[in-house]
Amino acid sequence: NAGVTQTPKFQVLKTGQSMTLQCAQDMNHNSMYWYRQDPGMGLRLIYYSASEGTTDKGEVPNGYNVSRLNKREFSLRLESAAPSQTSVYFCASSEPSGSRTDTQYFGPGTRLTVL
Amino acid sequence: QKEVEQNSGPLSVPEGAIASLNCTYSDRGSQSFFWYRQYSGKSPELIMFIYSNGDKEDGRFTAQLNKASQYVSLLIRDSQPSDSATYLCAVKEGGATNKLIFGTGTLLAVQP
Repeated sequence: NAGVTQTPKFQVLKTGQSMTLQCAQDMNHNSMYWYRQDPGMGLRLIYYSASEGTTDKGEVPNGYNVSRLNKREFSLRLESAAPSQTSVYFCASSEPSGSRTDTQYFGPGTRLTVL
Repeated sequence: QKEVEQNSGPLSVPEGAIASLNCTYSDRGSQSFFWYRQYSGKSPELIMFIYSNGDKEDGRFTAQLNKASQYVSLLIRDSQPSDSATYLCAVKEGGATNKLIFGTGTLLAVQP
């Protein structure tokens, strides 16, 4: 049981390049999330998927797109990377909706630098 | 704008002391509250959650919730150097959403 996995672990891009961050979970969770974490800003939600086939914007969605490929996989795409997107990106998943104790479990993160 | 506020620290305590971490939130509809620990360069990991007013204990950790004051805290007894990390408070939004709102975290340093 690997939990939440993310690829790649590190990435350096040039301004204007595109890339896709991959996330997969093997806990049979319905909900999945993408966050970015910047110094002094905490974790900010980019997009989330409450269930397979649905996606919704979070707090900071501009410059990103997502795809919920199936129940296990949720990808984040940067179409034209900008230096402001330099950050650590975390994927998370959570237990089925409706419980007060729904807990989000995090992947190891992707450190992205945009030059 | 729903907010979760934490003192960024660093909070420095000697080994063996009690560390007290505090968090306030703005959304009165929030029902569930989570404490995550994040070591430098690592991902957040859940320590505990609480959703009823009062105290909840798990080993050396105690979470305290006061919904009337919109305040949640985490006490760490017998603090160890291995407890040195950033502690993130997270609040589940009110309503049917599963979304969490995170504070910016408090850096705890336990001095040997």
